[in-house]
Amino acid sequence: DGGITQSPKYLFRKEGQNVTLSCEQNLNHDAMYWYRQDPGQGLRLIYYSQIVNDFQKGDIAEGYSVSREKKESFPLTVTSAQKNPTAFYLCASSIQGVSTDTQYFGPGTRLTVL
Amino acid sequence: QKEVEQDPGPLSVPEGAIVSLNCTYSNSAFQYFMWYRQYSRKGPELLMYTYSSGNKEDGRFTAQVDKSSKYISLFIRDSQPSDSATYLCAMSVIQGAQKLVFGQGTRLTINP
Repeated sequence: DGGITQSPKYLFRKEGQNVTLSCEQNLNHDAMYWYRQDPGQGLRLIYYSQIVNDFQKGDIAEGYSVSREKKESFPLTVTSAQKNPTAFYLCASSIQGVSTDTQYFGPGTRLTVL
Repeated sequence: QKEVEQDPGPLSVPEGAIVSLNCTYSNSAFQYFMWYRQYSRKGPELLMYTYSSGNKEDGRFTAQVDKSSKYISLFIRDSQPSDSATYLCAMSVIQGAQKLVFGQGTRLTINP
């Protein structure tokens, strides 16, 4: 089956800890994205990558970091610098990352800070 | 002011009703318009997309774009309980890397 997987589905973190969210795709897509979804606010772009070893900040990158060492993988680290990290995190991918691509989403990871 | 505004609802209608979901936007450079459907605790899935003003139909769903008014709509005919979900509008410019701007999402419930 082709698709995007995210793990874990639920994640709990203590304040002051870094945590890494996994995103893997086997669609052979070049572009990958990370969004954050909060109630009543829609999706906001954290980081995106159009090609391996290259990525750009989105609208709310502060307190987050990413890497893109492999085409299939785009992990997101939520650092202790992110002041309000409790949210639903969605990873997406598209064929090339051009403006008319369709973005396909993973099932999401719900992060809760205790 | 947000670039894209969408009434978050919630919206509750009886089965069989016609549903109208709407978004307004402020950036006249947006040329590519999408509607995503998101079931509870799942990732969004693309429902429809359109580039131009006017209507586009797909089964029970119709997407409408009015660029002069900066207004887009999604109509659902003969609504079913399985249509109960959050509906997100999204849009982007046509040039360069894709950066989607999403509305807040409207939570829709279809009551049997």
